[in-house]
Amino acid sequence: GQSLEQPSEVTAVEGAIVQINCTYQTSGFYGLSWYQQHDGGAPTFLSYNALDGLEETGRFSSFLSRSDSYGYLLLQELQMKDSASYFCAVTGGYQKVTFGIGTKLQVIP
Amino acid sequence: GAVVSQHPSRVICKSGTSVKIECRSLDFQATTMFWYRQFPKQSLMLMATSNEGSKATYEQGVEKDKFLINHASLTLSTLTVTSAHPEDSSFYICSASTGPFSGNTIYFGEGSWLTVV
Repeated sequence: GQSLEQPSEVTAVEGAIVQINCTYQTSGFYGLSWYQQHDGGAPTFLSYNALDGLEETGRFSSFLSRSDSYGYLLLQELQMKDSASYFCAVTGGYQKVTFGIGTKLQVIP
Repeated sequence: GAVVSQHPSRVICKSGTSVKIECRSLDFQATTMFWYRQFPKQSLMLMATSNEGSKATYEQGVEKDKFLINHASLTLSTLTVTSAHPEDSSFYICSASTGPFSGNTIYFGEGSWLTVV
């Protein structure tokens, strides 16, 4: 089976940088994804890492180390609108996606 | 990009009735669709994997007779919650895959809020 761990809550200041870590244990692994979900909305895709290293998309970056079963999401130049829940998710065999518990990010002025 | 549409976005039904939620891939064919459920302030939990033309594969603990899944075409999967109870009230969301073993081509629908009264 799959299990993921990520912090439940993080608070950061507007304009700052925040890193949300995710560790996983999996019986099959194709990649690590990150999703953003605002209250009352559906998850939206942020990034996907299949190989080790850093992927950058604008203010968001995602990192994966397959040997360490570890990844993180890095958010730079935080804005108030970034306040949301962030889920890491593992894609395993047959494209099953297993989500972590989600990290609630609160951006404060 | 690819679009997955879910309908209805919100539905209220009476306890004991059945309600159907549709998931459509609008501009691609999805051989596999997934159904998730999310309770407030919790994570998304996979309920079942829906494969076109074959029976759905349910996760442990999910009642297949209560949550009926039909994937009759490459663009449509439906989830029917039968004999709904208030504890079935939740956010149901589907995702669709454009092909096997390509983890970065999974698209989520907008989700459906079900309230059972």
